[in-house]
Amino acid sequence: DQQVKQNSPSLSVQEGRISILNCDYTNSMFDYFLWYKKYPAEGPTFLISISSIKDKNEDGRFTVFLNKSAKHLSLHIVPSQPGDSAVYFCAAGPSDDKLIFGTGTRLQVFP
Amino acid sequence: DSGVTQTPKHLITATGQRVTLRCSPRSGDLSVYWYQQSLDQGLQFLIQYYNGEERAKGNILERFSAQQFPDLHSELNLSSLELGDSALYFCASSVGEGLADYNEQFFGPGTRLTVL
Repeated sequence: DQQVKQNSPSLSVQEGRISILNCDYTNSMFDYFLWYKKYPAEGPTFLISISSIKDKNEDGRFTVFLNKSAKHLSLHIVPSQPGDSAVYFCAAGPSDDKLIFGTGTRLQVFP
Repeated sequence: DSGVTQTPKHLITATGQRVTLRCSPRSGDLSVYWYQQSLDQGLQFLIQYYNGEERAKGNILERFSAQQFPDLHSELNLSSLELGDSALYFCASSVGEGLADYNEQFFGPGTRLTVL
């Protein structure tokens, strides 16, 4: 039973437009949420996080939104750049236990 | 470059065999985490060591074991290998002990294991 789901395996966006990556979770005990970015032949790299006491966290072009009632979070990238093309993993967990990762969404940003 | 190194990069072996994956954490990091990423699967947490001691355990099979040595490098041993063990195995490290140090986990490039 997947507790963290990324239902879109891939997403294609034009350069300069907004990329929206979605993630759903099922465990109401999760209170910390993260996004990791992964390029081919490299390990995942931490991108941005949010705790359950907030509903939005922004870092430059990246913004994570958390909707606790819907158990849904999303990552917005504005504007999208070709270098953003990668696999994005959503991860979640309670603050005192292991992380649960989603299966990833492959983002392709084309010119 | 995250500063976390993993060897080997690729490993091809046969069913029933045993392999050892090695991880060197970033300088100064005391925690090492092991993750498995199978085809079309997310990263599955296997186990964490902190300063030589097992700190947390995830979905790690009994055929798998790990240890962290005094110099803080870690090895993941996989035995009686099965076809389904073919995956990418990532190591990550962090300074802290607690799993709340999520944003401080730095991942290595991974070892791709193929079991034939």
